[in-house]
Amino acid sequence: GAGVSQTPSNKVTEKGKYVELRCDPISGHTALYWYRQSLGQGPEFLIYFQGTGAADDSGLPNDRFFAVRPEGSVSTLKIQRTERGDSAVYLCASSLSSGNEQFFGPGTRLTVL
Amino acid sequence: AQKITQTQPGMFVQEKEAVTLDCTYDTSDPSYGLFWYKQPSSGEMIFLIYQGSYDQQNATEGRYSLNFQKARKSANLVISASQLGDSAMYFCATPRGAGRRALTFGSGTRLQVQP
Repeated sequence: GAGVSQTPSNKVTEKGKYVELRCDPISGHTALYWYRQSLGQGPEFLIYFQGTGAADDSGLPNDRFFAVRPEGSVSTLKIQRTERGDSAVYLCASSLSSGNEQFFGPGTRLTVL
Repeated sequence: AQKITQTQPGMFVQEKEAVTLDCTYDTSDPSYGLFWYKQPSSGEMIFLIYQGSYDQQNATEGRYSLNFQKARKSANLVISASQLGDSAMYFCATPRGAGRRALTFGSGTRLQVQP
């Protein structure tokens, strides 16, 4: 079956612009996670959804970052007033509600010039 | 807060030999899990193996096994009979806390398998 998909695969933007990153989880997976991975580092947690609600958003670095999952499936990570330090690969993962294993998407590489 | 430490930034291994990738963790939760993921140069994170803290036996999945030493708080990944395709970054991870399902990752180990 289809895995986790993320669009776009690459996004180049200018400092100060607004961006949206999309994640389409595996069908039937109620849990969805956003991580950010900087070069040479492990993924860093941003936010976790269970269904439509954000169960844990303690990883969001500041109020420029926001994520939604209005129908409990597709999620969008929104970044306002982008900064060069936001440049990273943004990874999305999903899992069954009771499952341990998280399935990751290919990521979106965000470059802020 | 949970913490994962991977002290080997890079490792080399000869093809067909076994290699151990180190992982130590710090958690105050009485029940927890340890995960290992592989990240090839293409970027996708691939789940390899999981160990629950109350599992009686060390986890194994094909050529992957976990050397889980609870008293030492270590969960080292052992890859047997290394293959060229095993060259990748390897990350150890644990849930962020009781009731929290998102993962805390270590900084990773880059494994290079030499022919």
